[in-house]
Amino acid sequence: QVQLVQSGAEVKKPGSSVKVSCRASGGTFSNYPISWVRQAPGQGLEWMGGIIPIFGTPNYAQRFQGRVTITADESTSTAYMELSSLRSDDTAVYYCAREGRWLNLGGPLDFWGQGTLVTVSS
Amino acid sequence: EIVLTQSPGTLSLSPGERATLSCRASQSVSSNYLAWYQQKPGQAPRLLIYGASSRATGIPDRFSGSGSGTDFTLTITRLEPEDFAVYYCHQYGTSPWTFGQGTKVGIK
Repeated sequence: QVQLVQSGAEVKKPGSSVKVSCRASGGTFSNYPISWVRQAPGQGLEWMGGIIPIFGTPNYAQRFQGRVTITADESTSTAYMELSSLRSDDTAVYYCAREGRWLNLGGPLDFWGQGTLVTVSS
Repeated sequence: EIVLTQSPGTLSLSPGERATLSCRASQSVSSNYLAWYQQKPGQAPRLLIYGASSRATGIPDRFSGSGSGTDFTLTITRLEPEDFAVYYCHQYGTSPWTFGQGTKVGIK
């Protein structure tokens, strides 16, 4: 059974950056895409981008382009999402999730991390 | 990007009743790559349905998905107490992947 374990909650100042990690166990990490999805308080889900670890080339949602960096380290089965130039409206729970499609972007999100709350406040 | 519109926003039903949730896409969803998720407060979403109509592993058969193109439906035939939650549709056929705004199924 695939498990995704994320790093802990963060409190950041406006204008700073945050890096959230997502460590996978129990499955084949390298060959399935990992997506990042965020959820602002009381709001819906928003896809930010994803990466297939074995290829290493990320795919970003345009609205986050230039502010988000998604990477993956195959040696530790860990994916990372870094968001820069933080604003108060970036306050949200950030989830990593596995896309269930072998070696291709575009699959249902079949396994999810527990979520990481990022609070942006001065 | 493909906009997904879910309706209704809120559904108030009693245990044992049937729930019908709609998801309409602004353009055709490629290969019917449409999924449904259930989310309870304080929890991550859980995959219910993928490919518009295939149940994910371990999902009870009271959950079913249907539809194609731009119109999709999630049906819960007999609501159990644990089914009261928020449900999201999600298209993963055309980048950027997008989600509907959610339908809350509440207890009447």
